[in-house]
Amino acid sequence: RKEVEQDPGPFNVPEGATVAFNCTYSNSASQSFFWYRQDCRKEPKLLMSVYSSGNEDGRFTAQLNRASQYISLLIRDSKLSDSATYLCVVTPFNKFYFGSGTKLNVKP
Amino acid sequence: NAGVTQTPKFQVLKTGQSMTLQCAQDMNHEYMSWYRQDPGMGLRLIHYSVGAGITDQGEVPNGYNVSRSTTEDFPLRLLSAAPSQTSVYFCASSQTSGDLLYNEQFFGPGTRLTVL
Repeated sequence: RKEVEQDPGPFNVPEGATVAFNCTYSNSASQSFFWYRQDCRKEPKLLMSVYSSGNEDGRFTAQLNRASQYISLLIRDSKLSDSATYLCVVTPFNKFYFGSGTKLNVKP
Repeated sequence: NAGVTQTPKFQVLKTGQSMTLQCAQDMNHEYMSWYRQDPGMGLRLIHYSVGAGITDQGEVPNGYNVSRSTTEDFPLRLLSAAPSQTSVYFCASSQTSGDLLYNEQFFGPGTRLTVL
């Protein structure tokens, strides 16, 4: 069983749309949670950490549900520049486990 | 600061050859790690290190060795390259703190390896 599962997409949305991604994890001992963004053939970069109480950064909102073992990312008012692959990351026991990523295409 | 650097950027090997992928960081980060990324598979952890002299295995360690003699460097060695090791390899580092796991990982630009 994979540590982290994500819908690979792609999610094709128009500019201005709201889009949400979910990610489920298998290890209940996971302590830290992140969303990373990866552009084509580039290294991943941190988008935001995910806190237990949920957190927001501009158009991006992240939520954590420990009981159901999933994290979510909501993007409001999508921009063309949001087109990328979004990776969720969980960290049990000193290891960072990445999901396979969800591809987002924002179209004009 | 250069951040995390990796060399080479591209490499082609023949089956059975060995080589070392270099990774260095200048941020004084204690935690360093190596990942491979294959299409549709996301990043998979190969080996990691929580400090100089300490290394441990990740999800897919077979066929790879690492060492951590200094805080700055974390080379990855392919012992006998196989076509299944064709992939993009990323090195990453992270600052430690009282709670290591909350810290952001910084990635190098990656090494694209092809094994024929």
